Amino acid sequence: NAGVTQTPKFRVLKTGQSMTLLCAQDMNHEYMYWYRQDPGMGLRLIHYSVGEGTTAKGEVPDGYNVSRLKKQNFLLGLESAAPSQTSVYFCASTRQPDIYGYTFGSGTRLTVV
Amino acid sequence: AQKITQTQPGMFVQEKEAVTLDCTYDTSDPSYGLFWYKQPSSGEMIFLIYQGSYDQQNATEGRYSLNFQKARKSANLVISASQLGDSAMYFCAMDTGGGNKLTFGTGTQLKVEL
Repeated sequence: NAGVTQTPKFRVLKTGQSMTLLCAQDMNHEYMYWYRQDPGMGLRLIHYSVGEGTTAKGEVPDGYNVSRLKKQNFLLGLESAAPSQTSVYFCASTRQPDIYGYTFGSGTRLTVV
Repeated sequence: AQKITQTQPGMFVQEKEAVTLDCTYDTSDPSYGLFWYKQPSSGEMIFLIYQGSYDQQNATEGRYSLNFQKARKSANLVISASQLGDSAMYFCAMDTGGGNKLTFGTGTQLKVEL
């Protein structure tokens, strides 16, 4: 039972480079989310999806794009990385939050230099 | 807009003592859920406890209980009989969209001492 898997776990990018973070869940969850965690700021929602083929903006969407082509996968893209995007990125998913809560991946630590 | 406030950046507690981590929230939505998550130094987010806005009784899960005071808009986490393994960052969070999104507080760093 893998739960939510994020790849990669660590990455260093140069300013202006692009990359895609992959989130995969094997629990048949409808809802998926991307958060970023910065010191002293808790977790902030970047984008989320309420089902296959749907995406929506969260609190801090600028500089990121997402896609949910398959129910089990939620991709987060950075088209032109900036140092301000240095952060720890968490993916989460849920089927029924009031019973199961949200299941989080282990995080991706991204550094943009 | 939804907001979660955790006013204790850091807390210390002695082993075997109880500790209360504060959380206040703000929302105009009558239906919402309140969550507590634990983040140890290894970084993963661990779901601890949930309280629904319409739940009459305070939620409990083992050594964790949620002191829900709706009129005061507070949802404090109580950890009984603290253990060294409880040392971690604790986040309070709120969901007002039935799964549409989860809003987090800034967290409280708990340190359990011998």
